[in-house]
Amino acid sequence: DAMVIQNPRYQVTQFGKPVTLSCSQTLNHNVMYWYQQKSSQAPKLLFHYYDKDFNNEADTPDNFQSRRPNTSFCFLDIRSPGLGDAAMYLCATSSGLAGALAGELFFGEGSRLTVL
Amino acid sequence: DQQVKQNSPSLSVQEGRISILNCDYTNSMFDYFLWYKKYPAEGPTFLISISSIKDKNEDGRFTVFLNKSAKHLSLHIVPSQPGDSAVYFCAARGSSNTGKLIFGQGTTLQVKP
Repeated sequence: DAMVIQNPRYQVTQFGKPVTLSCSQTLNHNVMYWYQQKSSQAPKLLFHYYDKDFNNEADTPDNFQSRRPNTSFCFLDIRSPGLGDAAMYLCATSSGLAGALAGELFFGEGSRLTVL
Repeated sequence: DQQVKQNSPSLSVQEGRISILNCDYTNSMFDYFLWYKKYPAEGPTFLISISSIKDKNEDGRFTVFLNKSAKHLSLHIVPSQPGDSAVYFCAARGSSNTGKLIFGQGTTLQVKP
């Protein structure tokens, strides 16, 4: 059974039209991450939550926002998508200290965003 | 500035032979290294890891070697099977407690029957 679930799997939006991607987890992990992966490139961390503590990467554009209303859910909001934001968005979780020490992340299947 | 690099975008190997996937890094503060495997239309899944205090870790057909002086690690798959065909990502963790990982670009492995 899937432990990290991302919706939708495929999202098509128009240039400038806001979009929200969701991630839910059944692992009760306290850390949740959003990665952006463009074609043939490395997954790039956008931000992560350690419990309710939000940590933004320095080079993440302001266009990207995130919400974590509870332990199980995390959302990625793209306020005004541009053509350059077309990518696969990967949600991942890790278990606080043990998971962090192991470095192991559990990924969802990803949401592929297309911007027209 | 890419801190983790996988310079070979693809690798093709015959079934039963050894697959060697390489990864280089630039940050000497990385203390933990991992390999992830990704099939099409699926998220990456954890494969094997190694701490910076070790130079080898083995799990079945998979062995990871770490050469800290060269800032290089490699993943060996022996024997390779067609089901191993996937994209393999190398990742490194800095010395923090949040599990934040930095990934390489990935190497697509094709194992031919």
